[in-house]
Amino acid sequence: EPEVTQTPSHQVTQMGQEVILRCVPISNHLYFYWYRQILGQKVEFLVSFYNNEISEKSEIFDDQFSVERPDGSNFTLKIRSTKLEDSAMYFCASYSGGPQETQYFGPGTRLLVL
Amino acid sequence: LAKTTQPISMDSYEGQEVNITCSHNNIATNDYITWYQQFPSQGPRFIIQGYKTKVTNEVASLFIPADRKSSTLSLPRVSLSDTAVYYCLVAGGFKTIFGAGTRLFVKA
Repeated sequence: EPEVTQTPSHQVTQMGQEVILRCVPISNHLYFYWYRQILGQKVEFLVSFYNNEISEKSEIFDDQFSVERPDGSNFTLKIRSTKLEDSAMYFCASYSGGPQETQYFGPGTRLLVL
Repeated sequence: LAKTTQPISMDSYEGQEVNITCSHNNIATNDYITWYQQFPSQGPRFIIQGYKTKVTNEVASLFIPADRKSSTLSLPRVSLSDTAVYYCLVAGGFKTIFGAGTRLFVKA
């Protein structure tokens, strides 16, 4: 069964450093998403991406964040200058766009900012 | 965006049927209702999705009344491994809002 994959599974970084989280969505999907989940809290929407541009973003997704689909398979989330409060699980999801389809989530990247 | 309201937590015993109800009073005409399951440190996993009436798959059933302002996820004969957080989502368009979810504890 096709699945969304994410790399790395864990990343530790120093405050102020840039990180890039990578996702490979399901191959025939057209819509891509990033979410984050701070430990013990609910899943929070960050951004959605369709047709090579951002469709929607939350207030969390400020100028420190960017997304890119550099090739036909990868979808990346970049945090330019990490802060301690960026420590969280980051989930990528993809969706085919079909009316009775849904988003499928990756296993997540655990980011720890020291 | 339709806001969802679910019980914060529920307890059950192995072998019992569990019903989790979600309220979504402001659901839009084009919105589907989707339920996800999440284990600690894992991504949400799709369980079931519906628009109206009843939907059943190999793991759950989803009951949606005619007004669609609520939905009930039914898990038949739960096991210890069903202990997880269950999220009800009402999604339309590009933005998906998760509620706090329902923490289900299944006891032996």
